[in-house]
Amino acid sequence: AQSVTQLDSQVPVFEEAPVELRCNYSSSVSVYLFWYVQYPNQGLQLLLKYLSGSTLVESINGFEAEFNKSQTSFHLRKPSVHISDTAEYFCAVTSSGGYNKLIFGAGTRLAVHP
Amino acid sequence: GAVVSQHPSWVICKSGTSVKIECRSLDFQATTMFWYRQFPKQSLMLMATSNEGSKATYEQGVEKDKFLINHASLTLSTLTVTSAHPEDSSFYICSAREEGSHQRYDQPQHFGDGTRLSIL
Repeated sequence: AQSVTQLDSQVPVFEEAPVELRCNYSSSVSVYLFWYVQYPNQGLQLLLKYLSGSTLVESINGFEAEFNKSQTSFHLRKPSVHISDTAEYFCAVTSSGGYNKLIFGAGTRLAVHP
Repeated sequence: GAVVSQHPSWVICKSGTSVKIECRSLDFQATTMFWYRQFPKQSLMLMATSNEGSKATYEQGVEKDKFLINHASLTLSTLTVTSAHPEDSSFYICSAREEGSHQRYDQPQHFGDGTRLSIL
């Protein structure tokens, strides 16, 4: 069975500071990993994904995540956050054996303060 | 591209009524759509997988007679909460996978904006 653990339920940070949101997964098969962002009262938006190839993936708004197979991690980072980055962030995993079911972590609330 | 529209965005109704929520893929065909439920400050819980032209696959613990799913076309899936009660109040989110093939597990799901259901 697959599972996703997001170690921090809340991460407060000041504007322009760096941030890391942690995600660890458990799976016995090859996985595909995703980060989604959710703004209040909205659905989820895909932030970035790891399918294969380069272990470092980037989004268009400055976020990046690195797939680390040995540590079974897919941490999300941003070198300098903005107020507008305040949202809920979900790490998710799927695999070829799961009929594309997405398994979500519990989510991390990123709160950026001025 | 890859827009999923969910309607209504907010509904309030009396206990005992049935509520239908629509999920449409606007610019792509979706053989498979997913329905999630999200409680406040919690993660998404997969309720069921909706397959075009066949019966939905429900997750363990989800009552299929309570949450009726119909996926009549490649762009529309509906979730009907039958005889809704206050405990059914929640945020319901649908998603659709862009690729039509069942084998493309790496295709990300695209999410609707959710439906806030409040049962009085």
